[in-house]
Amino acid sequence: AQTVTQSQPEMSVQEAETVTLSCTYDTSENNYYLFWYKQPPSRQMILVIRQEAYKQQNATENRFSVNFQKAAKSFSLKISDSQLGDTAMYFCASKTPHSYNNNDMRFGAGTRLTVKP
Amino acid sequence: EPEVTQTPSHQVTQMGQEVILRCVPISNHLYFYWYRQILGQKVEFLVSFYNNEISEKSEIFDDQFSVERPDGSNFTLKIRSTKLEDSAMYFCASTSDRISYEQYFGPGTRLTVT
Repeated sequence: AQTVTQSQPEMSVQEAETVTLSCTYDTSENNYYLFWYKQPPSRQMILVIRQEAYKQQNATENRFSVNFQKAAKSFSLKISDSQLGDTAMYFCASKTPHSYNNNDMRFGAGTRLTVKP
Repeated sequence: EPEVTQTPSHQVTQMGQEVILRCVPISNHLYFYWYRQILGQKVEFLVSFYNNEISEKSEIFDDQFSVERPDGSNFTLKIRSTKLEDSAMYFCASTSDRISYEQYFGPGTRLTVT
């Protein structure tokens, strides 16, 4: 079974600065996908970034990038030049694509990020 | 851009009543999911659905829950006799195939059981 752990319940950062959110996971699979979702106060789940485990290169989407350490089973999210609109809950999630009986997403407990002006 | 839609956005019901939450997945998607998020807690998997049958369900998805795809577009979650602890945000998601890495989430339905 997959488990996802986010050890930082809350974090804050000054606007324009950089912040890193931590995530570790546990899986027996060799191939899997990892995600960071953003949940603003509207509560809609918005995909921020994804990483395929077989790719060594860290994914990047504009101001968002990940540090994927497969051996350590670590998948942290770095937000550069933080903006007020980045204030939200951030969930780390994993998914294994090839198991018929385990094709759902597993989420961490979330990190509440507050960007301060 | 196609998106998953859910109705209603907020449902208030009394304990013991039946509720049906509705979702319209993206039209060419084949796999459908329901997730639940109790206020302040993590998003939890409930059930996945493919080819008109449940492919996987979690321990949360007991006999009080059922899912259905009554026509070619809607995907519903029914709770037969709601309990106070069913109060949560319910998210529907869909994906085009089992291997696809991205599930597209709807905006959620907030269920309040009083």
